[in-house]
Amino acid sequence: DVKVTQSSRYLVKRTGEKVFLECVQDMDHENMFWYRQDPGLGLRLIYFSYDVKMKEKGDIPEGYSVSREKKERFSLILESASTNQTSMYLCASSLYSAVGALHFGNGTRLTVT
Amino acid sequence: AQSVTQPDIHITVSEGASLELRCNYSYGATPYLFWYVQSPGQGLQLLLKYFSGDTLVQGIKGFEAEFKRSQSSFNLRKPSVHWSDAAEYFCAVGDNFNKFYFGSGTKLNVKP
Repeated sequence: DVKVTQSSRYLVKRTGEKVFLECVQDMDHENMFWYRQDPGLGLRLIYFSYDVKMKEKGDIPEGYSVSREKKERFSLILESASTNQTSMYLCASSLYSAVGALHFGNGTRLTVT
Repeated sequence: AQSVTQPDIHITVSEGASLELRCNYSYGATPYLFWYVQSPGQGLQLLLKYFSGDTLVQGIKGFEAEFKRSQSSFNLRKPSVHWSDAAEYFCAVGDNFNKFYFGSGTKLNVKP
């Protein structure tokens, strides 16, 4: 089974801090994704990556950046955290070929105070 | 633009009753369609997917879904709901560029 591991389940950060959310997958998937989940809004794509050092903006990239130095690891960076970035963050991976289904981590609940 | 609509925010059914969760999508080409389930505090788990072929697809945990192109729908069904099915369900559409668009979710409550 594919395992997608997010390093933290809960994080509390202060406004203005730089925040790193880490995600690792163990199945050699080409694609990796960061989503934000808010009640009533479903999942919204922040960034995705289809290869090492490659990234594409999703629907809500403002205030975020990403890093993918190794195939198995995809990091989400909040350069200067703000209270409106308080949310659940979900990492996912998939195979590149033929639109593979997503495999999700358990999520990181981030609170910015 | 691609979009997914789940018109029911909350649904309550009695254990043993049948279930249908609605999903409508907007997409210009042949869609790749998915249903995911999320238990509290967990990530999303794939229930089933439709890429092509038979429009009735079977998934895990006894779920099935039917693709109806004329109605742009992909409704999820289960003939007899179990208490463990209480969770939030998300419909999603994938495009040819490996991007996925999710509905806002339907929370299912199961009465004993």
